[in-house]
Amino acid sequence: AQSVTQLGSHVSVSEGALVLLRCNYSSSVPPYLFWYVQYPNQGLQLLLKYTSAATLVKGINGFEAEFKKSETSFHLTKPSAHMSDAAEYFCAVSIIQGAQKLVFGQGTRLTINP
Amino acid sequence: DGGITQSPKYLFRKEGQNVTLSCEQNLNHDAMYWYRQDPGQGLRLIYYSQIVNDFQKGDIAEGYSVSREKKESFPLTVTSAQKNPTAFYLCASSILGGDTEAFFGQGTRLTVV
Repeated sequence: AQSVTQLGSHVSVSEGALVLLRCNYSSSVPPYLFWYVQYPNQGLQLLLKYTSAATLVKGINGFEAEFKKSETSFHLTKPSAHMSDAAEYFCAVSIIQGAQKLVFGQGTRLTINP
Repeated sequence: DGGITQSPKYLFRKEGQNVTLSCEQNLNHDAMYWYRQDPGQGLRLIYYSQIVNDFQKGDIAEGYSVSREKKESFPLTVTSAQKNPTAFYLCASSILGGDTEAFFGQGTRLTVV
């Protein structure tokens, strides 16, 4: 079955430091992968998506992710963290088994230290 | 502006009562979804629908029911059979196609008192 696993439920970095949030997927076919961000008590907002057009995907707010088939990974990075990046981040995979659905990882809460 | 609207934002329910959460979208999306979010558990799929008058159970459908009488609307009923209904509920919609992203509402926080 297709799924995603996020390594680390909580990540803490200093302002200006590199942000790295990890996501590994399991899929027998080329997957469609997504990263979403959620601010407290709000819905989810799309950061970026991988749809096989390019392995390095750039998203909003300076985030990017690289699809690595050999490592079955789709890690999210940002070169320099900002206080406003503090939020919860979710990796997701799109599954079509009869009907279409989006399956999410457990989420990673990102904290930024001043 | 196009978007997806959930109401109410906060909802309190007494034990043993059914309650219905509203979800409306004006994005002309065919697919709609309901997720439940609990701390540390990510988003779990309750029900999803690709077309009017048709829907499928997700991973945690027990104690919930839905209807899809109109393309724009996908209400979720939390029944008294749901043992632990206190949670944050998120509705989403998308166009059909595996590479398309879902758009989310702002969520409804349900508390059983």
